[in-house]
Amino acid sequence: RKEVEQDPGPFNVPEGATVAFNCTYSNSASQSFFWYRQDCRKEPKLLMSVYSSGNEDGRFTAQLNRASQYISLLIRDSKLSDSATYLCVVNVQSNSGGSQGNLIFGKGTKLSVKP
Amino acid sequence: DGGITQSPKYLFRKEGQNVTLSCEQNLNHDAMYWYRQDPGQGLRLIYYSQIVNDFQKGDIAEGYSVSREKKESFPLTVTSAQKNPTAFYLCASNPRGSYTGELFFGEGSRLTVL
Repeated sequence: RKEVEQDPGPFNVPEGATVAFNCTYSNSASQSFFWYRQDCRKEPKLLMSVYSSGNEDGRFTAQLNRASQYISLLIRDSKLSDSATYLCVVNVQSNSGGSQGNLIFGKGTKLSVKP
Repeated sequence: DGGITQSPKYLFRKEGQNVTLSCEQNLNHDAMYWYRQDPGQGLRLIYYSQIVNDFQKGDIAEGYSVSREKKESFPLTVTSAQKNPTAFYLCASNPRGSYTGELFFGEGSRLTVL
């Protein structure tokens, strides 16, 4: 089983639509979770962290389900500018305490918002 | 403005040649990373460094080398031993010990080996 798995898409949605992406992870020791956004041929940028209780940032809502080992990202009222690839990232803490070497990136889900 | 600068953005090389990709940051971050991204693939960690003069292999270190002589700089050399070097290379940094998961990326270097 892959460590972090995402549906590659593409998700083609009209402007104004609501779209949801899921991501599953295999390591139950995973500590923290994130969604990054990557535009075509550009570097990834942090979109939002995912907290246990779920969190919202404007039109974006992230949820975590530890029991089922998945996280989700919901985008409401899609804009053309939301078109990008969304990367699910999972952080597995190492024994040394330095967690940065243990960020596992999913392959990403491509979203295309059409007029 | 603070950030990470990678150079060159595009690089073409002949097979068998070593190439060095530059990564400089002025964010005063201790930790720096090199990732590789292939089309339709997730980012894979090549090397990382949490402090000057120290670095660790990531998942795909074979055929690559790094150095960390200065806090600001973490160059990556793609050697001729790397079997399939054509890829998008991303350098990133964050404060040492940070658990926020936020990596600050450079704009990337796209290497094509002919």
